[in-house]
Amino acid sequence: EDKVVQSPLSLVVHEGDTVTLNCSYEVTNFRSLLWYKQEKKAPTFLFMLTSSGIEKKSGRLSSILDKKELFSILNITATQTGDSAVYLCAPYNTDKLIFGTGTRLQVFP
Amino acid sequence: DVKVTQSSRYLVKRTGEKVFLECVQDMDHENMFWYRQDPGLGLRLIYFSYDVKMKEKGDIPEGYSVSREKKERFSLILESASTNQTSMYLCASSVWTGQETQYFGPGTRLLVL
Repeated sequence: EDKVVQSPLSLVVHEGDTVTLNCSYEVTNFRSLLWYKQEKKAPTFLFMLTSSGIEKKSGRLSSILDKKELFSILNITATQTGDSAVYLCAPYNTDKLIFGTGTRLQVFP
Repeated sequence: DVKVTQSSRYLVKRTGEKVFLECVQDMDHENMFWYRQDPGLGLRLIYFSYDVKMKEKGDIPEGYSVSREKKERFSLILESASTNQTSMYLCASSVWTGQETQYFGPGTRLLVL
């Protein structure tokens, strides 16, 4: 059975801190892994990772995939209150995304 | 910009009622998906569709059915709503099979009394 585990479940930090969110997975026919950010409503797409060891970066956010050890991390540097959200990891097999339960990040001023 | 819209943001229904949740996307996407999201369980796939009139069961299809009569519209139907179907329902679409990035609608929060 496909499995996605995100850790930590919840994280509370102050503005300016750096955080690392983890996602481990066991998915048959793995093709890629996506990260989403969910604030009050719809998840919004952040990254798609297909190759091991190649960092994807967007501003203060970056992510990397390790297909041998079956995990991915999402880093956020110099956090801001606007980063407060649930971050969802979703490996993709041949036809669907399999979502983790998410990490809830709260950033306080 | 891709736009996925859902017919209602909040809905309150009674046990036993038939409930229709509508989703429309405006980007000619082939694939559409219905998820429910519950605390501690994440997003779980209910049904998806690769094409008009085609549907596939997801992980938790029991108690639900779907309809895709037009490419842009994907409906989720609760034939007889039950309290355990109280949840946030999210619709998503993607360009075609194998194109992983899914774009989500704003969600419908359904309360079944």
